[in-house]
Amino acid sequence: SQTIHQWPATLVQPVGSPLSLECTVEGTSNPNLYWYRQAAGRGLQLLFYSVGIGQISSEVPQNLSASRPQDRQFILSSKKLLLSDSGFYLCAWTNARTGATYEQYFGPGTRLTVT
Amino acid sequence: GIQVEQSPPDLILQEGANSTLRCNFSDSVNNLQWFHQNPWGQLINLFYIPSGTKQNGRLSATTVATERYSLLYISSSQTTDSGVYFCAVELSGDDKIIFGKGTRLHILP
Repeated sequence: SQTIHQWPATLVQPVGSPLSLECTVEGTSNPNLYWYRQAAGRGLQLLFYSVGIGQISSEVPQNLSASRPQDRQFILSSKKLLLSDSGFYLCAWTNARTGATYEQYFGPGTRLTVT
Repeated sequence: GIQVEQSPPDLILQEGANSTLRCNFSDSVNNLQWFHQNPWGQLINLFYIPSGTKQNGRLSATTVATERYSLLYISSSQTTDSGVYFCAVELSGDDKIIFGKGTRLHILP
């Protein structure tokens, strides 16, 4: 069966520090991968999605970036964190567009607090 | 871009009551899902329902794609049903999956 991992689970970082959040998927190949951010008490905002290695689509201009160095690995980064980057970061995957269903599955998330 | 609107934004009910949550979307979509976010933040898949009706225990969902809406029904509510319910749509001809702002449901014992 497929599983999705995210780490760390929680993170407290000072303003101006770098960030690296990692997401990995097991049990599938060539998934579509997604990063979302959820501010406290609010909905999920799509940040990035990827349909293959090295292919990243950005939805919101900001100081975050994403990379997909391997088929089942998705990394969210920042060179300098802002207070507004605080939130709950969720990684998700779906099967690639091959005629299969595209049900989306989420990881457990990373709670980031920028101080 | 596509608009995904959920209503009501907040709902408080007594245990045992029934509820209907609505999701409207402004464009053609490939698929639609309903999720429940528990108090720990985990998103739990409820239904993958691009069209038609599905039932799972006390929950059921209906999507009418031609009229661009979906409904989630919760019957005989329990306190464990509390949390936020999201619908999410995948745009036709795209790989983006966009979420509504959610309905926050609070079931009183």
